[in-house]
Amino acid sequence: DIQMTQSPASLSASLGETVTIQCQASEDIYSGLAWYQQKPGKSPQLLIYGASSLQDGVPSRFSGSGSGTQYSLKISSMQTEDEGVYFCQQGLKYPFTFGSGTKLEIK
Amino acid sequence: EVQLVESGGVLVQPGRSMKLSCAASGFTFSSFPMAWVRQAPTKGLEWVATISTSGGSTYYRDSVKGRFTISRDNAKSTLYLQMDSLRSEDTATYYCTTGSAWFAYWGQGTLVTVSS
Repeated sequence: DIQMTQSPASLSASLGETVTIQCQASEDIYSGLAWYQQKPGKSPQLLIYGASSLQDGVPSRFSGSGSGTQYSLKISSMQTEDEGVYFCQQGLKYPFTFGSGTKLEIK
Repeated sequence: EVQLVESGGVLVQPGRSMKLSCAASGFTFSSFPMAWVRQAPTKGLEWVATISTSGGSTYYRDSVKGRFTISRDNAKSTLYLQMDSLRSEDTATYYCTTGSAWFAYWGQGTLVTVSS
């Protein structure tokens, strides 16, 4: 199985700050990566797919980048509503696997 | 508006069976691969199974292979997950989702608790 390692496990950011979350795959996943946001008690929401494509309706302050085994999610200006847990997921090979999550809070 | 509504989650004893359903609306159900993703309490996300648009192809994680069966009824726009020989480690909220490689739409989830 492809292992997805996310970092950091948690972070706090000030309003307006730029935030970056990293995800490393155990093998090349050829941009087959998605990012999700999950708020407490809610279902996950797809933010980014194909490593860098923004899902419809997602604010443009969210962006994804990377290739090979290294990927990142950037929030260019932290907002209150961005608090939550963020997960990466590889969609290249079954079984699809998720990172362990990054908990993002407002400082 | 896309809607996915799961049902069927209950408290069940280890070794027993149960069936989850997911009623879909707001999109052409038969055109989308579908999947189940679960989340144990306070834990991360875990892909469970995927089914193709026609239902002719199915994929499972190893830990549920041979115990779980994903199926769909395109005429009823409904996705199912038959779960047999349930174990305590199957305790989770089960989400119905759309998509093949990634999951664009999610239901609200249904909680399955496996305990004696």
